[in-house]
Amino acid sequence: NAGVMQNPRHLVRRRGQEARLRCSPMKGHSHVYWYRQLPEEGLKFMVYLQKENIIDESGMPKERFSAEFPKEGPSILRIQQVVRGDSAAYFCASSPRGGGGLQSSYEQYFGPGTRLTVT
Amino acid sequence: GNSVTQMEGPVTLSEEAFLTINCTYTATGYPSLFWYVQYPGEGLQLLLKATKADDKGSNKGFEATYRKETTSFHLEKGSVQVSDSAVYFCALIIQGAQKLVFGQGTRLTINP
Repeated sequence: NAGVMQNPRHLVRRRGQEARLRCSPMKGHSHVYWYRQLPEEGLKFMVYLQKENIIDESGMPKERFSAEFPKEGPSILRIQQVVRGDSAAYFCASSPRGGGGLQSSYEQYFGPGTRLTVT
Repeated sequence: GNSVTQMEGPVTLSEEAFLTINCTYTATGYPSLFWYVQYPGEGLQLLLKATKADDKGSNKGFEATYRKETTSFHLEKGSVQVSDSAVYFCALIIQGAQKLVFGQGTRLTINP
């Protein structure tokens, strides 16, 4: 069973360009989470999605950032008009269920991350 | 709000030394607690967890006990190996919520 896949692993963009980060959850998982790790900091929650729905986007910057998880295909985190402060590692996680319940079924499994560098 | 504070790093030890990485938390609800490990170039892997007070999580020789009275979840290992070199993250999730709250991470280097 393949783990969570993220691509690209490394992405370089110039200021003002768009960045698209892809996440394919584990097979059978319908819940996806995006986290951002700024240099020398811990991971910060950005957004939680189920298929075709955004459930919680309380950690997303109000402008330039968007996320989707279509019925078919990977989840996409899109950053428009990137700035140097967007340089970070972006991690995707998936789980078979959401809700933070006590069973293992809610555990989040992480991908290897995409390291975005804005020049 | 909810937050996790970890021992400042980096930490450097010799092989077979005893390891403690401190973690304390504040939470508005009743959290489950986790330790994740990130090896170089890889994503985070769940190392261990505890879901209620006095639970002890353990895996690969690592242990951590959920202490509600001190709001702590310190990671320990009796004898570390070079292969334990990684970044360790303490995290919590409030029951019923969806988002993990992470500490800043502690980089551990074990020298042979």
